[in-house]
Amino acid sequence: GNSVTQMEGPVTLSEEAFLTINCTYTATGYPSLFWYVQYPGEGLQLLLKATKADDKGSNKGFEATYRKETTSFHLEKGSVQVSDSAVYFCALNQGGKLIFGQGTELSVKP
Amino acid sequence: GAVVSQHPSWVICKSGTSVKIECRSLDFQATTMFWYRQFPKQSLMLMATSNEGSKATYEQGVEKDKFLINHASLTLSTLTVTSAHPEDSSFYICSARDHLATTGELFFGEGSRLTVL
Repeated sequence: GNSVTQMEGPVTLSEEAFLTINCTYTATGYPSLFWYVQYPGEGLQLLLKATKADDKGSNKGFEATYRKETTSFHLEKGSVQVSDSAVYFCALNQGGKLIFGQGTELSVKP
Repeated sequence: GAVVSQHPSWVICKSGTSVKIECRSLDFQATTMFWYRQFPKQSLMLMATSNEGSKATYEQGVEKDKFLINHASLTLSTLTVTSAHPEDSSFYICSARDHLATTGELFFGEGSRLTVL
C-alpha cells in the first residue's frame, strides 16, 4: 500500500541555519503531496502542497519539490527561526484520505 | 482559508463515562470528515471516515461501538468515546475536506485532548 517515510527527529538547529527534512513516498500513480506543521499543543496546519511531478510548493520561506524520479518531497528552508520549532508531517493523498509520515520534530535554538 | 473548529479543546472525565467531541466546518460544507488519534510524539492514526448522511467507515482495528461517529449535517461530525478508559486518553483531531476542492487538501481542527482518570 501507499506509505510515507520521513527522516527521524528530533532535528536541532541554530537560528538562521539551513533546514532539510527528507520525505519519500511509495504510491501507485501520482498522488498530491503535502507538508503539514503542528505547533506545540495545536492541530495541524497545511504548510505547502504539490499536485503533480516537478511542482514546487512554497510558503513562509519553506519549499518542497515533487520529484517523481526519486519519489521524494523534501522540505527545505534557507534560514530557520526559533518560531519554526514544531513537528512537521509529510503526507500523500490516497483516495481522499491523507497518509502521514511519522513526523519530524524540529527544534531551533537562538 | 477554510476553518475547522473542534469542541471541547480539552476534557477530563472519569473512567466509564462517555465523552462527545464535535467537529465543525465553519465556512465550507464537508460531505466527508476524518477522525485521527495522535499519541505523544507519534504520527496521526486515521480512525474513521465520517460521511454525511451515512455510516462511518472505520479503519482496521478501531472499535466502532467504542468510538461512535455521527455526521448529521454538512458542517458537523461528532465522535463519542463510550465507556472511556484511561487507555483512551489521547489527542483526537478531526479534519474536513471541502467538497469543492480537487487536490485532496484537508483542513484540520485544533484537536481535543481527552484525559480519562
